[in-house]
Amino acid sequence: DIVMTQSPLSLPVTPGEPASISCRSSQSLLHSNGYNYLDWYLQKPGQSPQLLIYLGSNRASGVPDRFSGSGSGTDFTLKISRVEAEDVGVYYCMQSQQGRPASFGPGTKVDIK
Amino acid sequence: QVQLVQSGAEVKKPGASVKVSCKASDYTFTSYGVTWVRQAPGQGLEWMGWSSTYNGNTDYAQKFQGRVTMTTDTPTSTAYMELRSLRSDDTAVYWCVRSAGGDYDSSGYHGDLDLWGRGTLVTVSS
Repeated sequence: DIVMTQSPLSLPVTPGEPASISCRSSQSLLHSNGYNYLDWYLQKPGQSPQLLIYLGSNRASGVPDRFSGSGSGTDFTLKISRVEAEDVGVYYCMQSQQGRPASFGPGTKVDIK
Repeated sequence: QVQLVQSGAEVKKPGASVKVSCKASDYTFTSYGVTWVRQAPGQGLEWMGWSSTYNGNTDYAQKFQGRVTMTTDTPTSTAYMELRSLRSDDTAVYWCVRSAGGDYDSSGYHGDLDLWGRGTLVTVSS
C-alpha cells in the first residue's frame, strides 16, 4: 500500500502571509497516462472535507486562486499565496494512483497565530 | 441542488451491523462512482472502499474485507454501506463521496472525491 506523509503536521499562520504544506508518497503517483493522482482536501472545523486540488495541480470548481498545487512523482506541495481567516482547518493529501486502496495523509492543521 | 443526502446517526451495540444510505440528487448517478470514507473521533480520514454505480464493481480496503458491503440502487440513485460485526473502534463519522470521472484499471479506481455528503455518525457502545 502507498503511505502518505505530510509536513508540517501543525502550521500556525498569519493572515496575509503565504503558507505551504508538503506531501510525500512512498511510491510514485505518476500514472502511465501522465496524470499524478494526488488530490488536496480541506476539512474546515465541523464540516465535511472539500476538494481543493485534483491531479496534483488543478483547482476544483469554486476554489480561490490563492490555492495552488504542484509536484510530480512522490513530492507534492500545496501553497496558499495569502492566507485568509477562512482557510483554517485540516488539510489532507490523498493518492489514488493505487486505487486499491487509496490513502490519505495524516493531515496538517492550519490555524491562525 | 447537486448533493448527497445521508441517513441519520446510529447507535449500535458491539457485534451488530449498521447500514448507511446515501441518496444522490440532481446529477446522473451512474456517471460517477461512490467512495466511502470514515473519520474516528479526533483522527484523520480513512478510505474504506469504492463502488461503481455503473456495473456494481467494488474495491474494499483490506482491513474491512469480509465485514463491509457497498451497494448501489440505480432506480433510486442511492448508495449503501453496510458494516458488520461492529466494534467500539468503528465509532466514527462515515461519509459517502462522489468519485469524479476518473479511470478504473487493474489497480483500482483513480480519481478525486468532488462531492461529499454531510456524514453519518455511527456510535458503537454497549
